[in-house]
Amino acid sequence: QLQLQESGPGLVKPSETLSLTCTVSGGSISISSYYWGWVRQPPGKGLEWIGSRYYTGSTYYNPSLKSRVTISVDTSKNQLSLKLSSVTATDTAVYYCTRLPGYEFDYWGQGILVTVSS
Amino acid sequence: EIVLTQSPGTLSLSPGERATLSCRASQSVRSSNLAWYQQKPGQAPRLLINGASTRATGIPDRFSGSGSGTDFTLTITRLESEDFAVYYCQQYDGSPMWTFGQGTKVEIK
Repeated sequence: QLQLQESGPGLVKPSETLSLTCTVSGGSISISSYYWGWVRQPPGKGLEWIGSRYYTGSTYYNPSLKSRVTISVDTSKNQLSLKLSSVTATDTAVYYCTRLPGYEFDYWGQGILVTVSS
Repeated sequence: EIVLTQSPGTLSLSPGERATLSCRASQSVRSSNLAWYQQKPGQAPRLLINGASTRATGIPDRFSGSGSGTDFTLTITRLESEDFAVYYCQQYDGSPMWTFGQGTKVEIK
């Protein structure tokens, strides 16, 4: 059974960089024809796609976040990572790691709440 | 960017009733690129429907999806207590970009 587990600091200061890791177990992050990505959800609000990385290495970002986001993979550790720079309070959200077999998100991590505050 | 608008914002129904949720796109969406999710408080979203009408693994047949072009519908034929939740539609537009609707809350009347 595939499992995704997010980890990282729960509190980040304004203007700093948010860094999260997603550890994938029960399957390979290098499997062909899959995307892996991140989705976030501000408290009490809806879902926002952050970005997705295809198994080939091609990476795609939400245009609204593109200048601040980097998604990468460490295949040796079977991990996906997210870096979001210059954070503000509006980046406070639950961040989810996800798998995409194509057009939809079929597996989700439990999510991690990241609060941006001094 | 394709914008998805869900209606109503909140649906108040009783167990056993039928729920009909709408998702309207600002531009035509390929049916293969439209999905629905259920989210309960404190939990991650769960994939219900992909390809506009195909139930994901383990999803009960009281959930069904339909529609094409710019209008899509999620129907729950007989609401059970565990179905009261927030539902989101989502599309992929090939640019590539994925977007979600703002959600419909199905609450107990």
